[in-house]
Amino acid sequence: GQNIDQPTEMTATEGAIVQINCTYQTSGFNGLFWYQQHAGEAPTFLSYNVLDGLEEKGRFSSFLSRSKGYSYLLLKELQMKDSASYLCAVTSQGGKLIFGQGTELSVKP
Amino acid sequence: ETGVTQTPRHLVMGMTNKKSLKCEQHLGHNAMYWYKQSAKKPLELMFVYNFKEQTENNSVPSRFSPECPNSSHLFLHLHTLQPEDSALYLCASSQPQGSESNSPLHFGNGTRLTVT
Repeated sequence: GQNIDQPTEMTATEGAIVQINCTYQTSGFNGLFWYQQHAGEAPTFLSYNVLDGLEEKGRFSSFLSRSKGYSYLLLKELQMKDSASYLCAVTSQGGKLIFGQGTELSVKP
Repeated sequence: ETGVTQTPRHLVMGMTNKKSLKCEQHLGHNAMYWYKQSAKKPLELMFVYNFKEQTENNSVPSRFSPECPNSSHLFLHLHTLQPEDSALYLCASSQPQGSESNSPLHFGNGTRLTVT
């Protein structure tokens, strides 16, 4: 079957670093996306990984290990506005995009 | 402004009503999607359209009927829904997904549907 796992909730402190993990088992793999979704708003694209390694984009970085079926999203210098749900999604065989349930991140002062 | 506009933002309907959700994108994309988002559950893909042709129906009950008149517009017609269909319905667009192209999805803000 197809399965994407990520923690349901995380809490971190303003200014700190947080790592949100995602593991996946899918039929075929054609890339992994991270999206951010604030309450009541549309999910917005953060990052895309298809090769092993780290992709850095400002305060956000995303890592992929295809052999381990594992990815993480790293958020540095946390700000209150980073409080949101973070969605991991994998493109499986045939281009079908499968989402995890999302990780609700709360940033505290 | 996300480039993908959904109306209405909120909808309350009875189980015997007929209503439609509308989605419009101004991004020049050729693929459009309907997703269902329920509390504490992953986004569920419902339908995919590529170049106006339906290419995916993810075992969605027939009380949900999609329509894609052109690459910029997508509708979801609703009829005799059940209370468990209450959820956030998200529309998205992208370039068609494939083995050589993984265009990120651009989502609308969704329609919050409540079935009474």
